[in-house]
Amino acid sequence: ELKVEQNPLFLSMQEGKNYTIYCNYSTTSDRLYWYRQDPGKSLESLFVLLSNGAVKQEGRLMASLDTKARLSTLHITAAVHDLSATYFCAVPYNNDMRFGAGTRLTVKP
Amino acid sequence: NAGVMQNPRHLVRRRGQEARLRCSPMKGHSHVYWYRQLPEEGLKFMVYLQKENIIDESGMPKERFSAEFPKEGPSILRIQQVVRGDSAAYFCASSSIRDKNSPLHFGNGTRLTVT
Repeated sequence: ELKVEQNPLFLSMQEGKNYTIYCNYSTTSDRLYWYRQDPGKSLESLFVLLSNGAVKQEGRLMASLDTKARLSTLHITAAVHDLSATYFCAVPYNNDMRFGAGTRLTVKP
Repeated sequence: NAGVMQNPRHLVRRRGQEARLRCSPMKGHSHVYWYRQLPEEGLKFMVYLQKENIIDESGMPKERFSAEFPKEGPSILRIQQVVRGDSAAYFCASSSIRDKNSPLHFGNGTRLTVT
C-alpha cells in the first residue's frame, strides 16, 4: 500500500530564512500535489506536479518532483508570517488521493 | 460558481446518536471523496463515490459508517451510534471526470464533536 511521508512534521522558522519540506512516497507515481491548510479551514491547492522534473513556483514557494527518487520538495524562500500554515503533499492512489501527515510551518518575526 | 458545499459546519452529537454530513460537489463534478482528519493529523481517505455508485470504500470502517451519492441531491456520510472516537473534521472533495490531473477541490469540512 502507498505510504506518503513528510518531513519535518513541525517547522519553526524566522522571517527571511529559507527552508525545504520533503515528501517521499513508496510506490510509482508520475503526479504529486501540494496543498495548504490554515487552522480550522479547508485545503487549498498550491501546486500540481505532473511529470518527472516538474518545477512550479508561486511567490516564495517552489515545488519540484523527482519521480525516480519518489521525492517532492517544497522550498520556501525568505519566509514571511503569512506562510504560516500546514502543508500537505498528496499522491494519487487507486481511485483517490493519499496524503502525507502534513508539515506545520510557523514563521516567526 | 459555488465551490464544494458542506453542511453543517459544526455538529454536536451525544454518544449513540446518528450524524449526517452533507456534501454538494462543485458544479460539473461527478466524483465525490470523503476524508477524515483527526486533530493534529493528516487526511485519511474514507470513500469515493460517483452518482449512485460507491467506487471505493476501503477506508471506511465496516460498521456504523455508510455513504451515498444519489442521482439527485448531495452526497451523505452517515455515522450511526456515534462514539467519542468519531470526533473529527470530515472533509468532502470533488473532481471532474474530464481532467484526471486536476487537484481535488475541498469543502470547508464538518467538525463533528461527540459528547
